[in-house]
Amino acid sequence: QLQLQESGPGLVKPSETLSLTCTVSGGSISSSSYYWGWIRQSPGKGLEWIGSIYYTGSTYYNPSLKSRVTIAVDTSKNQFSLKLSSVTAADTAVYYCARHGPGIAAAELYFHHWGQGTLVTVSS
Amino acid sequence: EIVLTQSPGTLSFSPGERATLSCRASQSVSSNYLAWYQQKPGQAPRLLIYGASSRATGIPDRFTGSGSGTDFTLTISRLEPAEFAVYYCHQYGSAPHTFGQGTKLEIK
Repeated sequence: QLQLQESGPGLVKPSETLSLTCTVSGGSISSSSYYWGWIRQSPGKGLEWIGSIYYTGSTYYNPSLKSRVTIAVDTSKNQFSLKLSSVTAADTAVYYCARHGPGIAAAELYFHHWGQGTLVTVSS
Repeated sequence: EIVLTQSPGTLSFSPGERATLSCRASQSVSSNYLAWYQQKPGQAPRLLIYGASSRATGIPDRFTGSGSGTDFTLTISRLEPAEFAVYYCHQYGSAPHTFGQGTKLEIK
């Protein structure tokens, strides 16, 4: 059974970089059939898609965050990661990793499996 | 970007009643690539419907998605206590992906 687990610091200082990792178990991140993504949820903005990645490293990002976001994949560890730079209090949220699909066509880009989420607070 | 509006924000029903939730898009959703999720407190969203009307694996047929273009509906017939939760719509037909603000189903 596919499981996704987010990990990383729960507290980040303003202007620093938020770094999270999603570890995938019960399936291979190298499968050619899926995109993998990050979504966040804050009381103020609800659910917000951050960006997604294919196992080859191909990415696409939300334009509203693109200048600050990097998503990368490590197939050897069956993980993908999120880096969000220059954070402010507005970046405080629960961050989820998720798997799209099944499939990589546009019709399959809903979020099929989600991690449990991790709360990241931006505060000094 | 496509803005999804779910209104009202809260709906009140009794168990056993039929609930109809609305999701309206600011422009046509490409190929009706519209999904619905259920979220309970402290949990991640759970996929219910994709492609506007296809039920995800394991979702009972009491959940029905319908609609096209800019107007979509999630219908839950015969509400069970565990289904009082928040429901979100999500369009994935145009970048960026966007979500509605959610509709909370509460027990009357």
